[in-house]
This record gives sequence, C-alpha cells and structure tokens, in this order.
Amino acid sequence: DAKTTQPTSMDCAEGRAANLPCNHSTISGNEYVYWYRQIHSQGPQYIIHGLKNNETNEMASLIITEDRKSSTLILPHATLRDTAVYYCIVRDVQGAQKLVFGQGTRLTINP
Amino acid sequence: ETGVTQTPRHLVMGMTNKKSLKCEQHLGHNAMYWYKQSAKKPLELMFVYSLEERVENNSVPSRFSPECPNSSHLFLHLHTLQPEDSALYLCASSLGQGVDEQFFGPGTRLTVL
Repeated sequence: DAKTTQPTSMDCAEGRAANLPCNHSTISGNEYVYWYRQIHSQGPQYIIHGLKNNETNEMASLIITEDRKSSTLILPHATLRDTAVYYCIVRDVQGAQKLVFGQGTRLTINP
Repeated sequence: ETGVTQTPRHLVMGMTNKKSLKCEQHLGHNAMYWYKQSAKKPLELMFVYSLEERVENNSVPSRFSPECPNSSHLFLHLHTLQPEDSALYLCASSLGQGVDEQFFGPGTRLTVL
C-alpha cells in the first residue's frame, strides 16, 4: 500500500507557482520522499527526491517539514506542459528498488 | 527521450496468442523493472531484475514470463492472457539498488480480446 496521502486534483494558473502537498505521517528514518509525474500517455518521469533537507533542481523544489511527516513539491513557474499526475512516494533506502505508486494528484495548469 | 525504449507501443492480441514485449535501455543501468498500469488503478510493480537476476516477483500470474538476457534488454513474454490483462505495461531501469531514480519507457498499450 502507498504510504502517502495526496489531494486527488488541483488547478493552477499558467505562470504561477504550483504547490503540491503530500502527507506521509508514518515515514520512517530510512525512507526518502520521491516525486514522479506522469504526463498523459507517457511513462512516469522522475522529478526530485529528498531525505530531510529541502532540495532544488532545474524542475522543482521539495520542501520537507522538520518532523518529515509532510512535504510540498513546488513548480515555481507552471506551464501548460506541467499538466500531469504527480506522485509522492516514500521509499526505503535499504534494498529499495520498489516504488509504490498511489493515485497521485492530477494537476491541471490553466491558461 | 529517457533512454529507455519499448516495442511495440501498441499491441492487440487474442487470448490464445503468444506475444512478447521488449524493453531496451541505453543508460548503462544494472536494474530493470516491469510495471502494469490498468485503467483507474495505480502502477503495480510486476518484476525486478538486478544484474540480470530476478530479485522480485510480485505474485504475478505465470501467463506473464519475464526474461533478462543481459543488462540492457528485458522481455515480457505473454501467453493465454485474459481481457483483464489489458493495460499499459511500463519498463523502467535504474543504475542500481538503493536510492537511484528510475527511468521509464513510454510503455506498451496492450489490449486482449
């Protein structure tokens, strides 16, 4: 079972920041938070991951709360091409090939 | 373009047919995966191969038979499938075990009649 809770859907205006929340209240010390997205009719795409510090790359920023029970993925300037289903996944670092996908958040970027 | 390719992109087969899905990665990765994505359901991990050895089989019916002849290629052999097996089949690869990100192919859309 997925260990995360995400809103089913969200809308965001083009050019604005999209903030996608994720709850992972049962996360353990060995588990990372991963974000993937899946654009319609394509395979999932890795976005970012983190353990406890905030992370930033060319796609997004990941903000993890101090207690690590929730996180937020931030797309700083959303474009229409960011419309996708976004998956928040917690993943154990020990022997951890397994990604357990939940239902994700369907993010729609509106012009 | 993720460096992971899958063929065919679309496949329609009858329940008595035998077919194979192919996945190839050009990333020098050592681990490869098969996932199934049915309509309205989350992705489900089916098989994991690490260094050409199967390390995980998630209670997948025997009508699905994986094969990993080398670290760059992964096959999923299909025989006597059921209509409920119709789904998007996704292949992924990663550098190794642990926290490595997975790179996904575009998937094969399978329809079983």
